[in-house]
Amino acid sequence: DQQVKQNSPSLSVQEGRISILNCDYTNSMFDYFLWYKKYPAEGPTFLISISSIKDKNEDGRFTVFLNKSAKHLSLHIVPSQPGDSAVYFCAASYTGNQFYFGTGTSLTVIP
Amino acid sequence: GAGVSQSPRYKVAKRGQDVALRCDPISGHVSLFWYQQALGQGPEFLTYFQNEAQLDKSGLPSDRFFAERPEGSVSTLKIQRTQQEDSAVYLCASSLAGEANYGYTFGSGTRLTVV
Repeated sequence: DQQVKQNSPSLSVQEGRISILNCDYTNSMFDYFLWYKKYPAEGPTFLISISSIKDKNEDGRFTVFLNKSAKHLSLHIVPSQPGDSAVYFCAASYTGNQFYFGTGTSLTVIP
Repeated sequence: GAGVSQSPRYKVAKRGQDVALRCDPISGHVSLFWYQQALGQGPEFLTYFQNEAQLDKSGLPSDRFFAERPEGSVSTLKIQRTQQEDSAVYLCASSLAGEANYGYTFGSGTRLTVV
C-alpha cells in the first residue's frame, strides 16, 4: 500500500516559470517530510524538508508547502532553470529514520 | 571520501547466485540505511543500522536478504539465491544521528540485474 503518492509522473515547464510538484500522503502519523532530487545514474540528493509543525519552508528558489488537513505537500521552484530538470521524490517519516518515498515526478525545464 | 561510496556500481548475477553489495558511509556517520529501488518506483526501506546495531530490518523482503555492519562503518547487503524479482538499484545512505532534518546522504547505488 503506497503511503506517499506522486500522481504526476512527469511535468514540463518553461524556463523562468514556476514549477509545482505535488505529493499526497495517507498516514496522519507522518511528521517529517523531505524532497529529494535525482539525476540519472546518481543517488537522490536532499533538497528541502519541512516538519509537521510548519506549513511552509523556503530555501532560495525552493519552497515546500504542507497542508496537514489535506495530507498534501507541494514543492515550488521559482524561477525554474534547465539544471532543475531531474526526477523529484517526496518522502515522509514518523520515526525520523525510515522514510516512505513516492514514485517520483520527472521535471523537464525547457530553455 | 566526501560521499557515500557503493560498490560494485553494476552487478549481473545468474538466478540462484549469491551476491554481496558494499557500502562505505561518510566517515563519522552513525546511521546507515539500505533502500531498494525497483524500476519506475521510489526507494523502499530495507534496513537501518545505528553504529553496528541493526535496529530495524522490517523492510527486508525475505530471509534471503541479510545485512551487516560489524564495526559500525562499512556495511554489506547480501542476497542469497538471487531471483529475478531482486533486480533493482540498491541504495545506501548515511546520516549523523539525529540529522533527519537534513535528510540522508545517498550513494549512487548498485544496479543488480538477475538473469
